[in-house]
Amino acid sequence: GQQLNQSPQSMFIQEGEDVSMNCTSSSIFNTWLWYKQDPGEGPVLLIALYKAGELTSNGRLTAQFGITRKDSFLNISASIPSDVGIYFCAGVATGGFKTIFGAGTRLFVKA
Amino acid sequence: GAGVSQSPSNKVTEKGKDVELRCDPISGHTALYWYRQRLGQGLEFLIYFQGNSAPDKSGLPSDRFSAERTGESVSTLTIQRTQQEDSAVYLCASSFSSDTQYFGPGTRLTVL
Repeated sequence: GQQLNQSPQSMFIQEGEDVSMNCTSSSIFNTWLWYKQDPGEGPVLLIALYKAGELTSNGRLTAQFGITRKDSFLNISASIPSDVGIYFCAGVATGGFKTIFGAGTRLFVKA
Repeated sequence: GAGVSQSPSNKVTEKGKDVELRCDPISGHTALYWYRQRLGQGLEFLIYFQGNSAPDKSGLPSDRFSAERTGESVSTLTIQRTQQEDSAVYLCASSFSSDTQYFGPGTRLTVL
């Protein structure tokens, strides 16, 4: 079935550093989504991307929908301690509602 | 308005018992999803409901798992004869459109 490869699995960074994570797939998706999950909570949507090549920002976050429709990246600039959490990419399958999630990138920020 | 709510927040059960997990979606959301998240893992799709259409059950791991939804409201996920490998957080999400899913806080299930 469809799978997403998300990397890196975890990141340990210093406050103020920029962060980059990405997802790749062998399948084409119509929509790419990036979520953040805090401990004990459900994931919260950060950015949604709907068109190949689209670049979207949300504050310090920037995400892009790859032109091949098989990949996406998320950048976080000037990280702060509250950026700690698990970041998931997700792709919405062509023609349906099914959403495939990556395994997550665990971000640790040292003050 | 209220977000997605799930109950119970935590459930500890003995192997072999049945459990029922409940999800109250956001009012007006036509789609409802269940996911399983094992410790340190990503989200594993289980089932989704869309309006009155037949649910997509393709993610249910075995026939011990089933889910029901009444109209466009509450859903229950039932796990029969629980096994230790069923221990996980079960997340529910609802959406109005086909992409923006809003998640509940999850139910943490522990099977002893």
